[in-house]
Amino acid sequence: GQQLNQSPQSMFIQEGEDVSMNCTSSSIFNTWLWYKQDPGEGPVLLIALYKAGELTSNGRLTAQFGITRKDSFLNISASIPSDVGIYFCAGPSGSARQLTFGSGTQLTVLP
Amino acid sequence: DGGITQSPKYLFRKEGQNVTLSCEQNLNHDAMYWYRQDPGQGLRLIYYSQIVNDFQKGDIAEGYSVSREKKESFPLTVTSAQKNPTAFYLCASRGQGIHEQYFGPGTRLTVT
Repeated sequence: GQQLNQSPQSMFIQEGEDVSMNCTSSSIFNTWLWYKQDPGEGPVLLIALYKAGELTSNGRLTAQFGITRKDSFLNISASIPSDVGIYFCAGPSGSARQLTFGSGTQLTVLP
Repeated sequence: DGGITQSPKYLFRKEGQNVTLSCEQNLNHDAMYWYRQDPGQGLRLIYYSQIVNDFQKGDIAEGYSVSREKKESFPLTVTSAQKNPTAFYLCASRGQGIHEQYFGPGTRLTVT
């Protein structure tokens, strides 16, 4: 089946710094989704990307759909303490629109 | 407000007991999903349902069962056959024609 490799696995950054993480796939995706999960909660959809090359922003978050359609990037600018959490990429798989998830990037923001 | 609810938030059971986790949505979504999440890992699909009275096994269905008698509800039963049931369980739903899934707050199940 499809696999998503997400990196880095974890990041420790200072408040105010910018963050970048990425996701690569073994096959082509036609949609990329980025979720954030706060500790003990369900993932929340941050950004959805539908077209190769697309660049979409949501506040301080910017995500890009790679032109090869096998990768995607998420950037967070000027990080703040509430950015702490696990960030997951996901892409559709299967005939029933199941999602394949990356293993997540654990983000820690230091004061 | 529209959304997905899961109850309870925390659940404790003794080994050998079956336990049912609730998932309800009022988003009028056709498709619903159950995932399992273990510490430091991603989400693994247990079961999914695209319409009422129909459901399919996901990647790790062994030891679990589901039903879909109503559009709004998709309960998951963790049976005594599940060898390692302690985990965080997430329910999600999806509207027709889109890929985006929306998640509930999760249920943390601890079996001792």
